[in-house]
Parts: sequence; C-alpha cells; structure tokens
Amino acid sequence: AQSVSQHNHHVILSEAASLELGCNYSYGGTVNLFWYVQYPGQHLQLLLKYFSGDPLVKGIKGFEAEFIKSKFSFNLRKPSVQWSDTAEYFCAVNAEDTGFQKLVFGTGTRLLVSP
Amino acid sequence: DTGVSQDPRHKITKRGQNVTFRCDPISEHNRLYWYRQTLGQGPEFLTYFQNEAQLEKSRLLSDRFSAERPKGSFSTLEIQRTEQGDSAMYLCASSLKGLSGANVLTFGAGSRLTVL
Repeated sequence: AQSVSQHNHHVILSEAASLELGCNYSYGGTVNLFWYVQYPGQHLQLLLKYFSGDPLVKGIKGFEAEFIKSKFSFNLRKPSVQWSDTAEYFCAVNAEDTGFQKLVFGTGTRLLVSP
Repeated sequence: DTGVSQDPRHKITKRGQNVTFRCDPISEHNRLYWYRQTLGQGPEFLTYFQNEAQLEKSRLLSDRFSAERPKGSFSTLEIQRTEQGDSAMYLCASSLKGLSGANVLTFGAGSRLTVL
C-alpha cells in the first residue's frame, strides 16, 4: 500500500545539536514532498517543499531537506536546533499516480529540544 | 487574507448527537480538504472539493459523515449519530491547484471534537 513512514516517533535533543528526521515513502512515479511543522498550540505550517529541480531544498528557520529518489527518502535536517524548534514534524507526499490530488502524511515525529 | 478559519474550535457532545463544523478557506483557493487527526497520528485524508464538486471521499468517511461546499466557498462537515471513536481534531485545508500540478495546502487551526 502507498504510505509515508517516519521512523522516529520521539526525538530529544539539546540545544545546538544537529537534527535529522527520516521520511520514506512508497509511491512510484513523480512525487511532491513536504515537511509541515506543528508548534505547541498552533496549527500545521509548511516548513519546506520539493517539486522538482535541486534535490536539496531549504525552508524556513534554517531547515533543509534532501530528496533521494533512489532511496524514496526526504529527510529533514537542521545543523543546530534551538529550544523554539520543539514541535511535531510531519512529512507528507502527494503523488502523480493519485493526480497530486491529496496529501498523505506520515505519523509525525515529536521533537523536544532541551535548553 | 486571514488564512483558513474553522468554527467551532472545540465541541463537546454526547454520543448519538449530530455535530457540524464549518470551514472558510482562503478566498482565492479553489480546493478545500477535510482531514482528521487523532492523538499520535498524522492527519488522515477524509474528502476534498474542487470548487463546489466533491471529487474524492476516503473510506474513512462513513455514511454518518457528510461534507458540502454549496457555493464553492465555505464548507461544512456534519457527523450524524456521533460515536466515541469520532473524537478527534478535524482539520480543514485549502489550496490553489495550478496547471503545473503543484498543490500546497494551507491548514486551519482545526475543530476538536470530544464525544462523551
């Protein structure tokens, strides 16, 4: 079945540590890839997106993600996290084989950054 | 542009009652989506509209659920005969579907339903 997997459900880091959150998808064909973030008490916000071109995309707040087509992956990275990055992070995919019509989300990774 | 608005933000109801949620999308967006999110899970797709046409419904959307977007602007999601398993956050999102296929969803704050 088509799916999006986020293997890290909870991550705890100290400030200034580096972050990498994994995301794998099982769709064939062309995909559009997204990372959304949900800060405590707030709604889902777009962090970054990949449609085509350079597989390394940069988003807001120093986040970046790399699309590796051969690995069906779109991992999120940040070289140095801050306490304010504490949030839940969701990887999401829409795919050509569903006409890019709906966004399918992973289960999310809850990040806690300790000061 | 005030983003995607959802009302009410919280609803507590007794099992068996009907509830209705409203979503006002970003005005120039032609697509409107409903998702459901439960604790520890990512948002799950329920249904979406392009203008006033409902183009897809998930199998998660039982016959107790109905969504409408009568004039292609705001949308309502009604749940009839609520069950405790319906307790969740109901999210609305909207997007402007371009010719290129790019489709970026903007989400509202959600309507949290608690069924007692």
